[in-house]
Amino acid sequence: ILNVEQSPQSLHVQEGDSTNFTCSFPSSNFYALHWYRWETAKSPEALFVMTLNGDEKKKGRISATLNTKEGYSYLYIKGSQPEDSATYLCAFMTTDSWGKLQFGAGTQVVVTP
Amino acid sequence: SQTIHQWPATLVQPVGSPLSLECTVEGTSNPNLYWYRQAAGRGLQLLFYSVGIGQISSEVPQNLSASRPQDRQFILSSKKLLLSDSGFYLCAWSAGTVVSNQPQHFGDGTRLSIL
Repeated sequence: ILNVEQSPQSLHVQEGDSTNFTCSFPSSNFYALHWYRWETAKSPEALFVMTLNGDEKKKGRISATLNTKEGYSYLYIKGSQPEDSATYLCAFMTTDSWGKLQFGAGTQVVVTP
Repeated sequence: SQTIHQWPATLVQPVGSPLSLECTVEGTSNPNLYWYRQAAGRGLQLLFYSVGIGQISSEVPQNLSASRPQDRQFILSSKKLLLSDSGFYLCAWSAGTVVSNQPQHFGDGTRLSIL
């Protein structure tokens, strides 16, 4: 079983502060890295799908980077707002996984006013 | 636009009873379909996925089964539930070939409690 690990498991952020957290994955046979945001009482929502080493994606105040050679991705939230409170999941796919995503356990972000 | 419907939202079942959870997708054709489970404090675990009608791949040996009787319908079943089947079940779909850089789109989930 290929493992994807996310750290930290949870973090508390003051409104207005920026934060970032990590997704680590095996670097061999890499195909794609997904990030999802999962708010309480809602379904997971896709943020980014990243495929190329050095890729950087941005959506509003949220951005992500990808390093496939060393097997990690960072998700950044700039100027955190209470509505950013959610669990952020990463998932990766290898070239030989036939489209199956391996999910991490998530980083729970709580933004306090 | 595409939508995914999953029901019921919550379900409480006794041990040994049967199970049927249903998921339908609208607004697209030939989607890839997935069933996931999230056990308490753990990540999403892929249970089944399907690339077409009648094509089901099982990821985890267990007493659950899945069927895809129609292009946009995915059903998760069990003949006899175990206590360990408790958890949060999510259905998802994606477009394109199964090995692609398309995101997955999730339903609202079913909270299953086994008594």
